[in-house]
Amino acid sequence: EAQVTQNPRYLITVTGKKLTVTCSQNMNHEYMSWYRQDPGLGLRQIYYSMNVEVTDKGDVPEGYKVSRKEKRNFPLILESPSPNQTSLYFCASSPKAAHSATINQPQHFGDGTRLSIL
Amino acid sequence: AQKITQTQPGMFVQEKEAVTLDCTYDTSDPSYGLFWYKQPSSGEMIFLIYQGSYDQQNATEGRYSLNFQKARKSANLVISASQLGDSAMYFCAMNLRAGSTLGRLYFGRGTQLTVWP
Repeated sequence: EAQVTQNPRYLITVTGKKLTVTCSQNMNHEYMSWYRQDPGLGLRQIYYSMNVEVTDKGDVPEGYKVSRKEKRNFPLILESPSPNQTSLYFCASSPKAAHSATINQPQHFGDGTRLSIL
Repeated sequence: AQKITQTQPGMFVQEKEAVTLDCTYDTSDPSYGLFWYKQPSSGEMIFLIYQGSYDQQNATEGRYSLNFQKARKSANLVISASQLGDSAMYFCAMNLRAGSTLGRLYFGRGTQLTVWP
């Protein structure tokens, strides 16, 4: 089954304790992305990756790191989490929009990770 | 600057009626794609429908249709014959084809739809 898998689904932790949210996709997609969702703000992009070893900042990258060493995996790292990073996080993937014919490929989303930082 | 605007924080509709969820967008790129996603209370993001900027006809997928008015930069979602299971948050999103923004999705803030019996 084609899917994007995020782990953990829920996490409560404390300020300053490094954490990693994993994301894996089995569809051989080039493009992967992380979003955070906050009430009243919709989804905002944190980081995205066009392919292996290619990452770039989205709209709200502060306080986050990512890496893309393998095509299928795109972990989100919070080196020193703070309470304002409490949010619902989504990982997504899609085929590379190499040309206009693939622009209509929707992004496939993981089920989300609800993160609470005390 | 916000690229996607959803002006309706909440909408209510009676079962079996049609409902329109508004979405306006802002871009100078001639090539773009518009998407609608549904997020039920369980939290997952479900892709509903897509419209390309060069598509001549409005997109339809079952009970969902997209009312695309390019000159007005609007991409409203129409749900016909609403069902109780349509109660959810709905997000409008756009991606651009130009340069490094290829594949990036810009989301609106969402509209919470409630369908009542």
